[in-house]
Amino acid sequence: AQSVTQLGSHVSVSEGALVLLRCNYSSSVPPYLFWYVQYPNQGLQLLLKYTSAATLVKGINGFEAEFKKSETSFHLTKPSAHMSDAAEYFCAVSSTGANNLFFGTGTRLTVIP
Amino acid sequence: KAGVTQTPRYLIKTRGQQVTLSCSPISGHRSVSWYQQTPGQGLQFLFEYFSETQRNKGNFPGRFSGRQFSNSRSEMNVSTLELGDSALYLCASSIGLAGGLNEQFFGPGTRLTVL
Repeated sequence: AQSVTQLGSHVSVSEGALVLLRCNYSSSVPPYLFWYVQYPNQGLQLLLKYTSAATLVKGINGFEAEFKKSETSFHLTKPSAHMSDAAEYFCAVSSTGANNLFFGTGTRLTVIP
Repeated sequence: KAGVTQTPRYLIKTRGQQVTLSCSPISGHRSVSWYQQTPGQGLQFLFEYFSETQRNKGNFPGRFSGRQFSNSRSEMNVSTLELGDSALYLCASSIGLAGGLNEQFFGPGTRLTVL
């Protein structure tokens, strides 16, 4: 069975501050892990993905995430928040070769000017 | 390259009716997956079609069905609509090859409101 848990349904940060969005996964097999972003009234856009090639994954818009097997975590970070980062972020897990993603409940990021 | 398109973008139906949503994948993609997004349940996987065959299925009642055509376009159908079916329905396409990671690309969704 696979699942992800996102701690914190809402996170607020000041513009320029560090962004940290938490994701813990559960998987019986080595997982593929993803972070997606969703802007209002839009679909999901892939930020980054972990495919076992490297534990530190760099994505678009300055985001990165680190896969920590011992902690079963895949937290998303960005050193300096921009106003344009305000959106909802979803962590997702997939088993090998599958096209069905299991999503977390999402974290809404607010950036305070 | 055009992205995933979904039609219609918005839909209003009444309880008991049925609805059909359409998804056109990225050219060359053979896999289409459908997801339901609601405030209460979040994003949930409905089913995946590959080469006109349902390959994976989520935990939804039989009122939810889908199909895929030879050009990879997909439709999903919901019969006997219930108020709880109000949701954003997202479609995602990927190359769909077995045995490897397939990055999914999402469409903008169809927002269904059931009155």
